[in-house]
Amino acid sequence: DIQMTQSPSSLSASVGDRVTMTCRASQSISSYVNWYQQKPGKAPKLLIYAASSLQSGVPSRFGGSGSGTDFTLTISSLQSEDFATYYCQQSYSTPLTFGGGTKVEIK
Amino acid sequence: QLVQSGAEVKKPGASVKVSCEAAGYTFTNYGITWVRQAPGQGLEWMGWISANSGNTNYPRELRGRVTMTTDTSTSTAYMELRSLRSDDTAVYYCARYEIRGVMSYWGQGTLVTVSS
Repeated sequence: DIQMTQSPSSLSASVGDRVTMTCRASQSISSYVNWYQQKPGKAPKLLIYAASSLQSGVPSRFGGSGSGTDFTLTISSLQSEDFATYYCQQSYSTPLTFGGGTKVEIK
Repeated sequence: QLVQSGAEVKKPGASVKVSCEAAGYTFTNYGITWVRQAPGQGLEWMGWISANSGNTNYPRELRGRVTMTTDTSTSTAYMELRSLRSDDTAVYYCARYEIRGVMSYWGQGTLVTVSS
């Protein structure tokens, strides 16, 4: 099974900050990474698919990059509604697996 | 839109069946996948089903205990989990499953509590 490791597990940031989080796969997975945002008590929401493609309706301040084993999700200017937990997921092979999440908290 | 059935409380050893009704798109053009989240924990993939063919793919750890089905006449997907244990207590989500494993739209979640 492919393991997905996210870092950091949590971070504190202020509104307007540029925020970057990473996801590392245990083997090369090309660009088959997707990113989700989850707020407390809510279902996850797709932000980015295929490493860098923005899902329809998602603000352009969200961006994804990477290929192979290392991937990055960047929020260019953090907004109050962005405080949430972010998960990466590999879709290269089954079983599909998720990272442990990065929780973005208010500084 | 995906609308799931309501919360369930089950005893250890019992079974639970959660439904997920799709609306607003052609049901058979996509698959349905199921993901669960134990309290305070991360996301765990439980498998997927093609709404067109009925083909399924389950992870090794759940094979034999989980069954996913669809009813195309009502655009509804079902996930049945048997031999429930306390560590099956979780929120269960269905999601629309797109090409290459992208989970594009999610249901609201169904809390399943396993307790004696």
